Amino acid sequence: DGGITQSPKYLFRKEGQNVTLSCEQNLNHDAMYWYRQDPGQGLRLIYYSQIVNDFQKGDIAEGYSVSREKKESFPLTVTSAQKNPTAFYLCASSMDTGTDTQYFGPGTRLTVL
Amino acid sequence: AQTVTQSQPEMSVQEAETVTLSCTYDTSESDYYLFWYKQPPSRQMILVIRQEAYKQQNATENRFSVNFQKAAKSFSLKISDSQLGDAAMYFCAYRNRYTGANSKLTFGKGITLSVRP
Repeated sequence: DGGITQSPKYLFRKEGQNVTLSCEQNLNHDAMYWYRQDPGQGLRLIYYSQIVNDFQKGDIAEGYSVSREKKESFPLTVTSAQKNPTAFYLCASSMDTGTDTQYFGPGTRLTVL
Repeated sequence: AQTVTQSQPEMSVQEAETVTLSCTYDTSESDYYLFWYKQPPSRQMILVIRQEAYKQQNATENRFSVNFQKAAKSFSLKISDSQLGDAAMYFCAYRNRYTGANSKLTFGKGITLSVRP
């Protein structure tokens, strides 16, 4: 099946630890995105990537890092510098960033203990 | 900067009835896209419907249709013949028709729709 997968579904982190959230797509999409969702809020853009080896900061990039070494993969690292990392994280992809619709993965729930 | 406003936090509809979810947005751009996404309890965001601003005709997908009023910057979603599976959170979203940072989706805060059997 074509689609976007995220792992793990639930992730627990101790304060001061870095954690990496996985996002993989087999849709042959060029563009990929990471969003954060907090209770009672819409989604906010963390990072996006238009092509391999290129990525740009979104609205709330502080405390996060990404890489895009392969077209299919766009992992997100939540660093210890992120002061309030407990949230639901959604990865999305689209054919391009200009005209195409973004499709979402199932999400990862990160909880800091 | 673009903003999207969903002023109703919750709505309820009787099964088989029709419900309309409201959304307004603010932008200085003339060429953009508008979306409604559904987020069921599984929390995966599912695209419901998409509208291109340059098209005057309102988009329709089966039981889902929109009322797009460009001058008023209004984009409401109508769900006909509501089903129990329609119960979810619904997000209105906006995106410019550009590449790069301006292509990001801007979301409203969402509306929780419940369906009464």
